[in-house]
Amino acid sequence: QVQLVESGGGVVQPGRSLRLSCAASGFTFSSYGMHWVRQAPGKGLEWVAVIWYDGSNKYYADSVKGRFTISRDNSKNTLYLQMNSLRAEDTAVYYCARPTVDTAMVFAFDIWGQGTMVTVSS
Amino acid sequence: DIQMTQSPSTLSASVGDRVTITCRASQSISSWLAWYQQKPGKAPKLLIYKASSLESGVPSRFSGSGSGTEFTLTISSLQPDDFATYYCQQYNSFITFGQGTRLEIK
Repeated sequence: QVQLVESGGGVVQPGRSLRLSCAASGFTFSSYGMHWVRQAPGKGLEWVAVIWYDGSNKYYADSVKGRFTISRDNSKNTLYLQMNSLRAEDTAVYYCARPTVDTAMVFAFDIWGQGTMVTVSS
Repeated sequence: DIQMTQSPSTLSASVGDRVTITCRASQSISSWLAWYQQKPGKAPKLLIYKASSLESGVPSRFSGSGSGTEFTLTISSLQPDDFATYYCQQYNSFITFGQGTRLEIK
């Protein structure tokens, strides 16, 4: 079935780095733009980043620009989020998400992963 | 950046009630709006896309309307499973979510 599975979360000290992964299955991963969305504890949803289906374009929320890098490996059906210079305010559950259509890189999301928790704390 | 404002932030209702949640955009987003339902500890679930299109498998008691800057999500007859938090999302210009509406049992 269509599925996204995140991994790589954990507890990390401020200023350190972490890389999240999102393994896709059940659909043609290389045809879809892919996104990261996060949710701080008890808070709402915040869009983080998008990458085009072929990796040719990447866009970020202002809150993570210059610190986070989204990437993908279509041969491995995997999406990544490299998070550098982490701050306490980056503490959140991180979800990868797929748009409902492969013809639009930015759209509503019909497939979400289960989320992976990132805690930034000393 | 496009800002999305939901109201109310919290809504108390009973099973069988008809409820409406409003979402306003800071500028026109045409019909590029989605609604999600989220339960504690779970990922959001898509309910409505393109303002009024019902996602496959979503009960018909959910409906969406609006265009431009004002949108509504209506649940025609609340069921016990509907008590959750609801988010709107614009995708006219990248992605922005509303702050959420918590629907609780009265």
